[in-house]
Amino acid sequence: DAKTTQPPSMDCAEGRAANLPCNHSTISGNEYVYWYRQIHSQGPQYIIHGLKNNETNEMASLIITEDRKSSTLILPHATLRDTAVYYCIGDQGAQKLVFGQGTRLTINP
Amino acid sequence: DTGVSQNPRHKITKRGQNVTFRCDPISEHNRLYWYRQTLGQGPEFLTYFQNEAQLEKSRLLSDRFSAERPKGSFSTLEIQRTEQGDSAMYLCASSLGGRGLEKLFFGSGTQLSVL
Repeated sequence: DAKTTQPPSMDCAEGRAANLPCNHSTISGNEYVYWYRQIHSQGPQYIIHGLKNNETNEMASLIITEDRKSSTLILPHATLRDTAVYYCIGDQGAQKLVFGQGTRLTINP
Repeated sequence: DTGVSQNPRHKITKRGQNVTFRCDPISEHNRLYWYRQTLGQGPEFLTYFQNEAQLEKSRLLSDRFSAERPKGSFSTLEIQRTEQGDSAMYLCASSLGGRGLEKLFFGSGTQLSVL
């Protein structure tokens, strides 16, 4: 599984786009990039995943660089409820997700 | 979709006692996972089942820990002779395993405090 590096914390103003970076320079060709988030006192929640192409769903967008060594999770219009720890994970098949310490995102009013 | 259910939500026990947690996965999910999370850290993988078979166990899972999924539905995680270092949030997740990618659906966890 690829090792990922994320900033420990970030702040974003409510209503603005939150851009969360992740470095995964050792990712292999068949490893997907997953994003989960964990709101206080809850279990992690799946957000999105991707391999090569950019992906978008109702929660977020995932931009993966062409060399696949980094990615950015974008929350287009952050709300206070998006305050959480965001985990970027590189994995071949999600059978055993390996979580790092993630990025603590705080959305400020 | 009733989600993954874990019971109890909180457990306080004295050192040396045994504790058991229960996880009820999403009904059609054949894979079930246990994770442990301590304050300020990401969840750590403990073990996972496909149906009733326990396919992988982490080195973190000492002999005092045992997990079962007897009928391929709910699962229990037992900790014998608890130690203060066992204090953590124990998370259960389930997924519909197959050939493709899986999304893990997590429960809200059981918070264990060992006094």
